[in-house]
Amino acid sequence: GAVVSQHPSRVICKSGTSVKIECRSLDFQATTMFWYRQFPKQSLMLMATSNEGSKATYEQGVEKDKFLINHASLTLSTLTVTSAHPEDSSFYICSAAAGVGVDYGYTFGSGTRLTVV
Amino acid sequence: GENVEQHPSTLSVQEGDSAVIKCTYSDSASNYFPWYKQELGKRPQLIIDIRSNVGEKKDQRIAVTLNKTAKHFSLHITETQPEDSAVYFCAASSGSGNTGKLIFGQGTTLQVKP
Repeated sequence: GAVVSQHPSRVICKSGTSVKIECRSLDFQATTMFWYRQFPKQSLMLMATSNEGSKATYEQGVEKDKFLINHASLTLSTLTVTSAHPEDSSFYICSAAAGVGVDYGYTFGSGTRLTVV
Repeated sequence: GENVEQHPSTLSVQEGDSAVIKCTYSDSASNYFPWYKQELGKRPQLIIDIRSNVGEKKDQRIAVTLNKTAKHFSLHITETQPEDSAVYFCAASSGSGNTGKLIFGQGTTLQVKP
């Protein structure tokens, strides 16, 4: 089945630094990648939708200059948290839609636990 | 945009009993409704899904029902087991092909007591 590889799984960074998270679709072309953030004991909140070769679409309240998304190829999308602060500490997870018709579904990456100290 | 409401937030049942989790959605264009089970710190795992052209789907102890008119769908787990204890999320998508945003409900923490 479809697989999305997400790295790193865990990262600890100092406040003010930037962190890049990668998601790769291994056996299919992900024209669209969705990025979510999940705080402890909360739901997955959609941050943005990235489309290959075009600018990402951000959900209301998500700062596009702080969460930079690049989707340069059909198999790679990246999320960069710039000037990270402790309140950005969260679980970030990507998801790609794969298949068509009755086989249409969503494949999730394994998630990245970001801790900003 | 789409809004998905999920209830209850917590659910405790005795082993062997049934558990029901309910969700409502706002976007009448939504056509895909998956349910996920999430272990702590892990990715959501799809347990069952339903599309808008059917009203019910069953897979062993798990079933999902969809009422498009009322815009609500439910997850039914029968003969619950302790290993069913987890957080469950419903979701809804209004896209076709690979363009639809998947919006999640708030989640239900299910505890199955032995």
